[in-house]
Amino acid sequence: DIQMTQSPPSLSASVGDRVTITCRASQSISNYLNWYQQKPGKAPNLLIYNTSSLQGGVPSRFSGSGSGTDFTLTISSLQPEDFATYYCQQSYITPTFGGGTKVEIK
Amino acid sequence: EVQLLESGGGLVQPGGSLRLSCAASGFTSSNYGMSWVRQAPGKGLDWVSSISGISHSGGRTYYADSVKGRFTISRDSSRNTLYLQMNSLRAEDTAVYYCAKYLGPRTSIFDCWGQGTLVTVSS
Repeated sequence: DIQMTQSPPSLSASVGDRVTITCRASQSISNYLNWYQQKPGKAPNLLIYNTSSLQGGVPSRFSGSGSGTDFTLTISSLQPEDFATYYCQQSYITPTFGGGTKVEIK
Repeated sequence: EVQLLESGGGLVQPGGSLRLSCAASGFTSSNYGMSWVRQAPGKGLDWVSSISGISHSGGRTYYADSVKGRFTISRDSSRNTLYLQMNSLRAEDTAVYYCAKYLGPRTSIFDCWGQGTLVTVSS
């Protein structure tokens, strides 16, 4: 299995801040990396797929980059509705998820 | 509108069985790969099982090592419904179980999720 490691596990930020979350794969996964947002008591929601493709309806303040083993999710200007937990997931082989990054209000 | 609605969760004793259902609407689920993903209380997401689209790989099935031999994924195309038969349940299977649809063939990108159903394994 490919292990996915996210950092940091949690972060505190203010509305308007630029936020970056990283995800590292235990082996190269090309660009087969996806990001999800999950709010408490809700199902995950696909934000970005194949490293940098924005899912329909997702605001443009979300962006993704990277390749091989190292990837980032960036929120350019954090909004109140963005406080949530974010997960990366590799779709190179049998899917595996990162441990999550909880974005909290500072 | 594409929707997934899970049902069948509940409290079951260790060693017991449960069958989860996921009713799809707004699309023909047999044309897409579908998965079950679970989330233990306060924990992260954990892929459980997948079934490929019939047109892609004839409905091939895949399982996480932790559930292989105990869980069975299947679908009823006439009902547009996905199932997960869970046998020999253990305390560590306690989780919210989500069904999820793949974005397209030859991908394991989850573009639509159900609301989840809670399975609690306890005596």
